[in-house]
Amino acid sequence: TQLLEQSPQFLSIQEGENLTVYCNSSSVFSSLQWYRQEPGEGPVLLVTVVTGGEVKKLKRLTFQFGDARKDSSLHITAAQPGDTGLYLCAGALDSGSARQLTFGSGTQLTVLP
Amino acid sequence: NAGVTQTPKFRILKIGQSMTLQCAQDMNHNYMYWYRQDPGMGLKLIYYSVGAGITDKGEVPNGYNVSRSTTEDFPLRLELAAPSQTSVYFCASRDRGRRNTEAFFGQGTRLTVV
Repeated sequence: TQLLEQSPQFLSIQEGENLTVYCNSSSVFSSLQWYRQEPGEGPVLLVTVVTGGEVKKLKRLTFQFGDARKDSSLHITAAQPGDTGLYLCAGALDSGSARQLTFGSGTQLTVLP
Repeated sequence: NAGVTQTPKFRILKIGQSMTLQCAQDMNHNYMYWYRQDPGMGLKLIYYSVGAGITDKGEVPNGYNVSRSTTEDFPLRLELAAPSQTSVYFCASRDRGRRNTEAFFGQGTRLTVV
């Protein structure tokens, strides 16, 4: 059982469309991060959210941390082919060892020109 | 800047063979991690370390061993390779002190067991 579940697993959209990716858990996290991974490369950090209800914007990307710190979402406005990649959420648990960084199951996004 | 360096980049093993995947970081990070990633999937934590001499199991430790004799190096050992260990392996490191520090990844080792 995956501690962090992402949905959808695959998403293929046309350039210019909007989309939302979800990251859900039954556990409470002290922080959640979103990474993007391109083929043949390691993941690269996009953003970190630490406060329940927090919203962060990075150009056309909007990240939200749930009020209870159990879930997060990533919204992309007017998607572009350059947004194509594997999006991963990652969390440090609120209880026990916050040093253990757990990743979600991933969302493979394809933006068609 | 080197960051996190993994070697080798590719390897083919026969069933039952052993090998060590090397990982080194030059950022003086205390926390280091080994993950495996199957095609189109997320990362599963194999082992992690919070400092030299300290290692802990992650979600999928069976069939693997690690050691952390220095802050810089965190090798992953496969003793008896099995086809189920065919995967891409990523090493990562991050700073300690705050819970929300960025993880830096190596470029991965693609391992095939035949």
